[in-house]
Amino acid sequence: EAGVVQSPRYKIIEKKQPVAFWCNPISGHNTLYWYLQNLGQGPELLIRYENEEAVDDSQLPKDRFSAERLKGVDSTLKIQPAELGDSAVYLCASSEGRGSDTQYFGPGTRLTVL
Amino acid sequence: AQSVSQHNHHVILSEAASLELGCNYSYGGTVNLFWYVQYPGQHLQLLLKYFSGDPLVKGIKGFEAEFIKSKFSFNLRKPSVQWSDTAEYFCAVRSSYKLIFGSGTRLLVRP
Repeated sequence: EAGVVQSPRYKIIEKKQPVAFWCNPISGHNTLYWYLQNLGQGPELLIRYENEEAVDDSQLPKDRFSAERLKGVDSTLKIQPAELGDSAVYLCASSEGRGSDTQYFGPGTRLTVL
Repeated sequence: AQSVSQHNHHVILSEAASLELGCNYSYGGTVNLFWYVQYPGQHLQLLLKYFSGDPLVKGIKGFEAEFIKSKFSFNLRKPSVQWSDTAEYFCAVRSSYKLIFGSGTRLLVRP
């Protein structure tokens, strides 16, 4: 069974440029998560989707970050414009959506903002 | 707010040594607890999890963890580490569908 797929794996951009990350969850997983992982820290949730609905986006900096999951399958996370402090690893995870289920993580996208 | 503390940021062991990584959480309700591992160049993988029942849970690759409710702890153990256990280990608590992670422990096992 294929795992969570993310692309690109690495991205280098200059500040003030836009950037987008793509995630394809495990087939059949209704819940999709985007996490941010800064160097030396554990992942922190940015947004959670149940199917196509964003049910928890309280930690998403909405002035520059946006996300979508139009058909309830794959998702895109966008930053516009990027700032130096956005350099981090952006992780996507998915789960079946039951009450006490396990989250499975993708390989992440390492973003460097110059 | 809920939080997870991992006491050791870096651990260096020789092969065959025993391992114990500490994890404490601050959350008074029913907890789901996890240990994830990230091998060099790889993605986060689930090592083991505790939802309910026997507080001693066994995971993959010979790892186990013990949930001690009175101490708010979920320490990870392995009786004899191998060089291939070199990785970063994250403890996490599930709170309202999201995982709250500790800052991680980098383990280096010397052959």
